[in-house]
Amino acid sequence: DQQVKQNSPSLSVQEGRISILNCDYTNSMFDYFLWYKKYPAEGPTFLISISSIKDKNEDGRFTVFLNKSAKHLSLHIVPSQPGDSAVYFCAASSFNFGNEKLTFGTGTRLTIIP
Amino acid sequence: ETGVTQSPTHLIKTRGQQVTLRCSSQSGHNTVSWYQQALGQGPQFIFQYYREEENGRGNFPPRFSGLQFPNYSSELNVNALELDDSALYLCASSLGRGSTEAFFGQGTRLTVV
Repeated sequence: DQQVKQNSPSLSVQEGRISILNCDYTNSMFDYFLWYKKYPAEGPTFLISISSIKDKNEDGRFTVFLNKSAKHLSLHIVPSQPGDSAVYFCAASSFNFGNEKLTFGTGTRLTIIP
Repeated sequence: ETGVTQSPTHLIKTRGQQVTLRCSSQSGHNTVSWYQQALGQGPQFIFQYYREEENGRGNFPPRFSGLQFPNYSSELNVNALELDDSALYLCASSLGRGSTEAFFGQGTRLTVV
């Protein structure tokens, strides 16, 4: 049962344009959402997060939007840069779990075309 | 401030053998979580240790076990290795049991032949 889904395995975007990565979840207990970026041969790197009490969080070129009614979140990167080429994982958690179990999606490989 | 480090980076084992993977948590972090990432999949939660005690476990059999030491470093042990255990094993550390921002190590690539 995949509780966090990233339905696009890959995405190619022209440098300078906006990259939009999508994520859906099914467990209504989730109340905290994170995006991680992963380069080959490295561990995931935390990018940005959002609590369920918000619908938007922005950090520089990265913005995460949360639509709780649709159980959907998206990561916007603007403008996209070649260094953004990586695999992006959406992850979800819940303070009710009492621990920091993160449930990950399967990832989206983003390629920025120069 | 040192980040999360894992050892070894790569490992090849034979089916039926046992393996121990190690993780040093980020300075000041008292919580360590372990994840298994199979090829083409997202990381899957194995278990978490908080102040030397197991604090939550994912859907993995008992042959996956762990330890956390007083300095908050951690070990993941896997007994009776199976071919499907071949994966990237990731360790993540965080501050506090309820913290939701985890910092990952580079992982250990385990291949079972």
